Amino acid sequence: GDSVTQMEGPVTLSEEAFLTINCTYTATGYPSLFWYVQYPGEGLQLLLKATKADDKGSNKGFEATYRKETTSFHLEKGSVQVSDSAVYFCALSSGNTPLVFGKGTRLSVIA
Amino acid sequence: NAGVTQTPKFRILKIGQSMTLQCTQDMNHNYMYWYRQDPGMGLKLIYYSVGAGITDKGEVPNGYNVSRSTTEDFPLRLELAAPSQTSVYFCASSPGQGISGYTFGSGTRLTVV
Repeated sequence: GDSVTQMEGPVTLSEEAFLTINCTYTATGYPSLFWYVQYPGEGLQLLLKATKADDKGSNKGFEATYRKETTSFHLEKGSVQVSDSAVYFCALSSGNTPLVFGKGTRLSVIA
Repeated sequence: NAGVTQTPKFRILKIGQSMTLQCTQDMNHNYMYWYRQDPGMGLKLIYYSVGAGITDKGEVPNGYNVSRSTTEDFPLRLELAAPSQTSVYFCASSPGQGISGYTFGSGTRLTVV
């Protein structure tokens, strides 16, 4: 079945550092790919998405590019802030199926 | 905008008790979902619904039941609670599948003792 693999956390960075969170997937067909963010004590929020190969999703300084050849959708941000501290989930949906989530990566940004 | 509302936010149950987790959305979304979140394990799909009167099992449905009598409401029923059901439960909705993003509620933290 479909699956998503994310890098293990936690990730701890200093403010203004560069962020990469790796995400690879296994899926039949051509899935849509998503990144969600969960702030402490809250539900998940959609951060960005991409629906076809080579698409780049972006939002709030975060970017991710749909790479079909490497089955990857890595999340990047050039300069993180303390307010970016959260848990980040990579997810996919194949056709008309519900989202399948990765295990999440906890990011802590220190001033 | 209320979005997706879940109640209660916290609950402690004794083993063998039953309860219903409530979920309501006001966005007229056809699709609704229940996930559980366990530490380090991501989110696992329990049940989902593609419209009123239609439900289907997800990855981990055992010990749970759902109903969808209206577009707005999608309650999750726990019968005979077990410690393995200690988790954080999230309800979500979406206008469609595939490329549609989900709107999540703020979660219900359930402890079974």
